[in-house]
This record gives sequence, structure tokens and C-alpha cells, in this order.
Amino acid sequence: DGGITQSPKYLFRKEGQNVTLSCEQNLNHDAMYWYRQDPGQGLRLIYYSQIVNDFQKGDIAEGYSVSREKKESFPLTVTSAQKNPTAFYLCASSTGGAWRGASYEQYFGPGTRLTVT
Amino acid sequence: QKEVEQNSGPLSVPEGAIASLNCTYSDRGSQSFFWYRQYSGKSPELIMFIYSNGDKEDGRFTAQLNKASQYVSLLIRDSQPSDSATYLCAVLISSGSARQLTFGSGTQLTVLP
Repeated sequence: DGGITQSPKYLFRKEGQNVTLSCEQNLNHDAMYWYRQDPGQGLRLIYYSQIVNDFQKGDIAEGYSVSREKKESFPLTVTSAQKNPTAFYLCASSTGGAWRGASYEQYFGPGTRLTVT
Repeated sequence: QKEVEQNSGPLSVPEGAIASLNCTYSDRGSQSFFWYRQYSGKSPELIMFIYSNGDKEDGRFTAQLNKASQYVSLLIRDSQPSDSATYLCAVLISSGSARQLTFGSGTQLTVLP
């Protein structure tokens, strides 16, 4: 079955520790995205990648880092510099690309709920 | 001004009624529009997308787009209690070669049995 997996589902960390959230897709999608959702809020874009070995900052990139070494994988590191890291983190992918006729429907993984105390 | 605005609700409708969810956007150049459904504690699920002015129907769902008014809506006919969720409107915004979805904050819908 094709899809997007995120692990772990729940993650607990102490303040001051870096933590890495996993996102893997087997949909052969070029583009991948990381969003953050706070209670009662919409989704805010952290980082996105339209192609392997390239990624761009979204609206709230401060305190986060990413890598895109493989098409299937787009891990997100929440660093100790992120002031309010407790949130629901969502990874998404789409066929993406800048070519005419590209599809931009994004499909989401199940999410990781991060709690930092 | 927010780029994508939705009435946060909550919106309550009786079972069997039509639920109407609305969204306005600020970027006149936006070309693609998406509706996601999100159950409490779960990730968003794509239910509709629309690119052209007019209506697009899929089962009980109809998306309506009016680019002149910068308005997109989602109608849910014969609403069921299982439709109770938060509905997120998303708009594709282009900046140079980059294209990203901007989401509204969502409308919470409750369908009363």
C-alpha cells in the first residue's frame, strides 16, 4: 500500500534536547512538506522540499532543520532553539514540481504529537 | 489581513441538512483550492479540490469557486453525524518557482442526530 508514515506517534522530550521526527513516503512524490498545528489552529508550514537535496524555509522555520537526501525521506529536527516546540507535527507529500500541469494535492501522514517539558 | 480566512464556527446542522462552509482568500493569482477534513486528533484528509470557476460535485460534496469574488465554498448534502469534523480550506499560492499551500484555521462542523 502506498502512503506516508510518520514515527513515532507520540514523543516526549525534556526542554533543551534536540529531537528528530521521521517522515517516509512510498508514493514516488517529488515534494514533501512539514507543518505544525497548535490546538484550534490551522496548519503552518515549517519547511518544504520540491526535489532531493533541496529544501526551502516555510513561514515558521526558526528552530527547525531538515534534510532531503532521499526522495522517500524528509526528517525534521526540532532543535533546542525552538521556543515552543510542543505541537502536532504533520508531514505531507505531493507530486509537486514547477512544471505545467503539476498536481499540488497534498496527502498527509498520521502526524507526530510532540510534548516538551 | 490573513491570506485564507474561514469562519471558525462551530457550525451546527441537523442530520440530513445541507452544511455550507465558506472560505475567502486574498491572493488574486491563486489557481488551486482544496478542502480537507480533519477529525479530532487525526491528520487532514483531502476531500475535494477545484481549479475552475463554478461547481464541482463528488458524491455528497460540492465545491464552488468564484475567483472574481475570491471565494470558495464546500456544500455537504444530507449531512451525517460522521461528517462532524473540522474542515480546512487551503489555497495554492505561487511565489516565483515556489508553490505552497496556505491553510485557513478551519471551521468546526457538528451534525446533530
